[in-house]
Amino acid sequence: EVQLVESGGGLVQPGGSLRISCAASGFTFSTSWMHWVRQAPGQGLVWVTQMDGGGSGTGYADSVKGRFTISRDNAKNTLYLQMNSLRAEDTALYYCARGGYKFAWDLWGQGTLVTVSS
Amino acid sequence: QSALTQPPSASGSPGQSVTISCTGTSSDVGAFDSVSWYQQHPGKAPKLMIYEVTKRPSGVPDRFSGSKSGNTASLTVSGLQAEDDADYYCSSYAGSSIYVFGTGTKVTVL
Repeated sequence: EVQLVESGGGLVQPGGSLRISCAASGFTFSTSWMHWVRQAPGQGLVWVTQMDGGGSGTGYADSVKGRFTISRDNAKNTLYLQMNSLRAEDTALYYCARGGYKFAWDLWGQGTLVTVSS
Repeated sequence: QSALTQPPSASGSPGQSVTISCTGTSSDVGAFDSVSWYQQHPGKAPKLMIYEVTKRPSGVPDRFSGSKSGNTASLTVSGLQAEDDADYYCSSYAGSSIYVFGTGTKVTVL
């Protein structure tokens, strides 16, 4: 089955760190651009970051640049997001998504919730 | 990286049409034929409805159509059905490996 499954979310204190994961299956992960998109409770979608299939090309939203790092392990078909210096405004449901079309995301996971609070 | 502007809400009766606008700038919507549209039902992940301004992925009804003029893109849903009641988001590539979403529109089928 073609799917993305996120994991690793939870409660973290402001200033803390967390790494979330996205396990891919059913498609050729190593050639797929992969993205993270987040959605704060009751709010809209916000693009966070992307990485190309080989792991060399990345892009970050200004709001997370320097704090978040995207990475991938193609041998494990897994995408990661390392989040450091977390702030309350980073609280959101984090989705991983496949860039299956040019400039568009055709496959989404169910999301993992990250809550930043003391 | 400002969000693209969408109307907060839109509505129509079953069978009618509704059009949602998505306004950006000459650096994003106006610069690239990269606008995509997503439908999101409560508690669910987004679903791709339109990509590259006008193209529909396999399985998306042809009731959904997209267009663009200058810095504004639009999504039209014709022949509204109850299952079209959802939130809709546009997105655009903004250059330099950056993407931006719209503010979102709640479509209500009356």
